[in-house]
Amino acid sequence: GGIITQTPKFLIGQEGQKLTLKCQQNFNHDTMYWYRQDSGKGLRLIYYSITENDLQKGDLSEGYDASREKKSSFSLTVTSAQKNEMAVFLCASSILGGSAETLYFGSGTRLTVL
Amino acid sequence: GDSVTQTEGLVTLTEGLPVMLNCTYQTIYSNPFLFWYVQHLNESPRLLLKSFTDNKRTEHQGFHATLHKSSSSFHLQKSSAQLSDSALYYCALGDYNQGKLIFGQGTKLSIKP
Repeated sequence: GGIITQTPKFLIGQEGQKLTLKCQQNFNHDTMYWYRQDSGKGLRLIYYSITENDLQKGDLSEGYDASREKKSSFSLTVTSAQKNEMAVFLCASSILGGSAETLYFGSGTRLTVL
Repeated sequence: GDSVTQTEGLVTLTEGLPVMLNCTYQTIYSNPFLFWYVQHLNESPRLLLKSFTDNKRTEHQGFHATLHKSSSSFHLQKSSAQLSDSALYYCALGDYNQGKLIFGQGTKLSIKP
């Protein structure tokens, strides 16, 4: 088995601040994802990466940047945090690209913007 | 574009009653994969079951679902609800040719004693 580790678990920022969330996986999976979870809105894809140094935009990429420097790690940057923003950011990975594969999720980073 | 619809935001049931959570989808692809993910409180989502075979029942942990391409549906069912089934359930649509999984908005299932 493997594990996906997200850091930090809780992130509190100020309006306009640039914030970075990190994700590491030891499954040796090719594809990694960042999802945003808001109550009543489901899981919305921000970015995904099918291999090292690859980046693909999801439906919610505006306001975010991502980076996949290594196969095992995928980071997400909130470029300018919005006041009163609260959400959980979930990192996930799958063995191959293509959305027919099972996703394995990390435990999430909970963001609060003051 | 592709989409997944879960019509119920919240389903509240008494323990022992049958469960049915609705999921319908729209896609241009002829070979969709459908998934149910479950997320218990303070945990991350995990796969409950998945299917790509038309009209074949898929079962796991007491839950079952059948992909019906004719009606674009993949409803989740269980014969008798347990308190431990209380969780958030997501239906999701995928395809080998697509890089991204499309999630529905989720259904919160609350089981009362």
